[in-house]
Amino acid sequence: NAGVTQTPKFRILKIGQSMTLQCAQDMNHNYMYWYRQDPGMGLKLIYYSVGAGITDKGEVPNGYNVSRSTTEDFPLRLELAAPSQTSVYFCASSQPWGTNEKLFFGSGTQLSVL
Amino acid sequence: GENVEQHPSTLSVQEGDSAVIKCTYSDSASNYFPWYKQELGKGPQLIIDIRSNVGEKKDQRIAVTLNKTAKHFSLHITETQPEDSAVYFCAASRGSGNTGKLIFGQGTTLQVKP
Repeated sequence: NAGVTQTPKFRILKIGQSMTLQCAQDMNHNYMYWYRQDPGMGLKLIYYSVGAGITDKGEVPNGYNVSRSTTEDFPLRLELAAPSQTSVYFCASSQPWGTNEKLFFGSGTQLSVL
Repeated sequence: GENVEQHPSTLSVQEGDSAVIKCTYSDSASNYFPWYKQELGKGPQLIIDIRSNVGEKKDQRIAVTLNKTAKHFSLHITETQPEDSAVYFCAASRGSGNTGKLIFGQGTTLQVKP
């Protein structure tokens, strides 16, 4: 059982380039999320999805786009990369029921925009 | 919106000592308060959580306390061990439909010296 898988683990982009961060989960979770983590800061929610075909903005959505065509996959798209998007990106999933609201995180993608 | 402040940013203790990390939140409607542990190079993992209808919760060497009136909650780790060394994040949300829309604190780097 792989859990939440993120690819790539590391990436360097030039300013203005685009890329897609991949995220897949094999736990059949309906909820999926993208967070970014900057040094000395907590995790900030970028986008989230409560099911296939449904996405919504989090705290810091500008400069990003997402799609959710299947339950398993939740890719994050960066268009026209900027230095401010240098960060570690975490994908997470959850299947809330009752009092269970545990998030399962991937191991992260470290992105540098130069 | 919700704001979560976490202190201290770094904490160094001797093995066997106790460690306490404190968080305050601003949104009185928040009712779910998880704590996540992040080891180097990995995604955060849930270690304990508490809801607003409970004042304290324990799980072996870890405990969390909540003071709703003062809007603060704390993580207590007793008999610390070197493997407790990690970054710890507190978070808050309104839960029940806002699952995963957590607002995280800035994180505390805990170092346990052997």
